[in-house]
Parts: sequence; C-alpha cells; structure tokens
Amino acid sequence: KAGVTQTPRYLIKTRGQQVTLSCSPISGHRSVSWYQQTPGQGLQFLFEYFSETQRNKGNFPGRFSGRQFSNSRSEMNVSTLELGDSALYLCASSRDPPPENEQYFGPGTRLTVT
Amino acid sequence: KQEVTQIPAALSVPEGENLVLNCSFTDSAIYNLQWFRQDPGKGLTSLLLIQSSQREQTSGRLNASLDKSSGRSTLYIAASQPGDSATYLCAVGASGGSYIPTFGRGTSLIVHP
Repeated sequence: KAGVTQTPRYLIKTRGQQVTLSCSPISGHRSVSWYQQTPGQGLQFLFEYFSETQRNKGNFPGRFSGRQFSNSRSEMNVSTLELGDSALYLCASSRDPPPENEQYFGPGTRLTVT
Repeated sequence: KQEVTQIPAALSVPEGENLVLNCSFTDSAIYNLQWFRQDPGKGLTSLLLIQSSQREQTSGRLNASLDKSSGRSTLYIAASQPGDSATYLCAVGASGGSYIPTFGRGTSLIVHP
C-alpha cells in the first residue's frame, strides 16, 4: 500500500512569489493535515482537512491557505513568500480525523525562499 | 497555551544500552500523546500512540508511559541499535474543542556501534 506522497520534494522560490504544494494521502484516508518544520520554531500545525472542509487551523497568517479535493488529495498555498517561510512542509493523512486516528506522514517538501 | 519540552536535546550512547527519553507538557488536559521518530530530511514515523485513558503502550523494544497528572511521558528503548539513531519527537493533542497537536523540539539520538 502506497504511503503519503508529497510533490514536489524540493522547491526554490523568490520572496514575494507564491507556491502551491501537493499531498496525496494513503488510499482510503480522508483526513489530511499540514505542518511546517523549521530549525527555529520546530514542528508546527498549519491546518487539517476532512471531507473537503477545513476543521482546524493553527496560528499562521492568512498567507497560508489550503484545500482538499473530493478524492482527498490536498494542496496548500503560500502567497507573498517571505524568507521565514523556508521550511520543510509535512503532510499527514489518517483514515478519519485525529486525534482518535493515527496519522501517517509523507516525506515532506523542502521549500527554500531566496 | 500548551508547551511541550523534551529532555535531553541530544544523546549519544553505545549500542546495547537501554534508554529513556523524556517529554513533559504543561497542560494535563490532553486527548492523547504520540511518539514519532524522524530520520534526517525525512517525514515522521509514528512509533506509539497513547490515549489519555491509557498508562502505557508497547511495541517491540519500545515502551511509552503516560502520567497525565504530572504532565510527563517517557519513551523507553531497550537494547539500543545503530538503526535507532534518529530524532524522537513527542506530540500532545489537547482535549476539548479543536485538535491542534503541539510538538516538542525532539531528542536527537545517536547509537554508535
């Protein structure tokens, strides 16, 4: 059974640009969560989607947004990129929403903003 | 606001040692606690998930305990191996309302042959 897939794996963008990251959950999983990991702040929760609806959102500015499609695939978008947005962005999926259900993580997308 | 602290931040041990990694949290009103490992540049792999009503979980050489009243969890690794080298993270899920997990900064473990 395939794991969580994230594309692209690596990305370099310039300040002010926008970026879209994609996450394909494990087959049969309907919940997708996004996380940002930086050396300074550690791992922080961005948002969680279930059945195309955002259920929870972390403490991030409105430049960070996401969506989920009917096939449970999810995208996150960051507009007007800042240097501080350089991070590893992780996606996790679960059959049903956490916390009752265990999450499985993808390998992440490494975003570098120059 | 929930705060999660992991001690020690780094650990280097010879192969075969038994290890204890610590995770403490400030708000005992949690739904569950999960331990993960992360290999360099990779995503997280779930190791053990403890619900708030449980005291411990075991998987192979790993045992995790949870003491909500004292705000502590420990991850015990028996007979450590070089393949255990990784960063170990704990994540606490708050109870009531929105589920927003809070992660510790991790313990970086090196097991040398």
